[in-house]
Amino acid sequence: DQQVKQNSPSLSVQEGRISILNCDYTNSMFDYFLWYKKYPAEGPTFLISISSIKDKNEDGRFTVFLNKSAKHLSLHIVPSQPGDSAVYFCAAKLRFGNEKLTFGTGTRLTIIP
Amino acid sequence: EPEVTQTPSHQVTQMGQEVILRCVPISNHLYFYWYRQILGQKVEFLVSFYNNEISEKSEIFDDQFSVERPDGSNFTLKIRSTKLEDSAMYFCASSEDNGAYEQYFGPGTRLTVT
Repeated sequence: DQQVKQNSPSLSVQEGRISILNCDYTNSMFDYFLWYKKYPAEGPTFLISISSIKDKNEDGRFTVFLNKSAKHLSLHIVPSQPGDSAVYFCAAKLRFGNEKLTFGTGTRLTIIP
Repeated sequence: EPEVTQTPSHQVTQMGQEVILRCVPISNHLYFYWYRQILGQKVEFLVSFYNNEISEKSEIFDDQFSVERPDGSNFTLKIRSTKLEDSAMYFCASSEDNGAYEQYFGPGTRLTVT
């Protein structure tokens, strides 16, 4: 089951630069998308989300872009900080409501001081 | 800030034994979930729970698994007869019922079956 894919298992970015994490999905019925951040030995922490009726959502240093025709979303972090080093998961929901999340495999982001 | 809590943080059990993983969701949340993550794999949905009943479950959630909300604060996952392949991190999550779709996760319980 590869409905949500994160093709880059790891990414290294210089502190202060932009980090771009990518996510692709195959199920066109997904209506809502979320990004979570996970530190070792902790649970996923919600970062930012976007509904399918939008193409961009911004919250401070974090911006999520959605390209529905390409079934692609990305998370931009700018400027990147050392505390951003973590594993980032993309997740999707089938429809509005409190339905299950389908997760990608995650991208490990390392910010180089 | 309210958070989801889980106990224990680590549980070691022998194959065939029963385990109960406990969660206290955020107090005003109405939807509850269990997910698991086998080492090196993605986070997988197990079950969702609303209004004192299961609203959705995955293929993983077979007859060996059950969930319960025994009182107004706890939400439990029981595995009746553990197998080696049940070894994983188990995450509890909760969400509101006001149109907000974000799920908030607990720190997880690492289950090791020997």
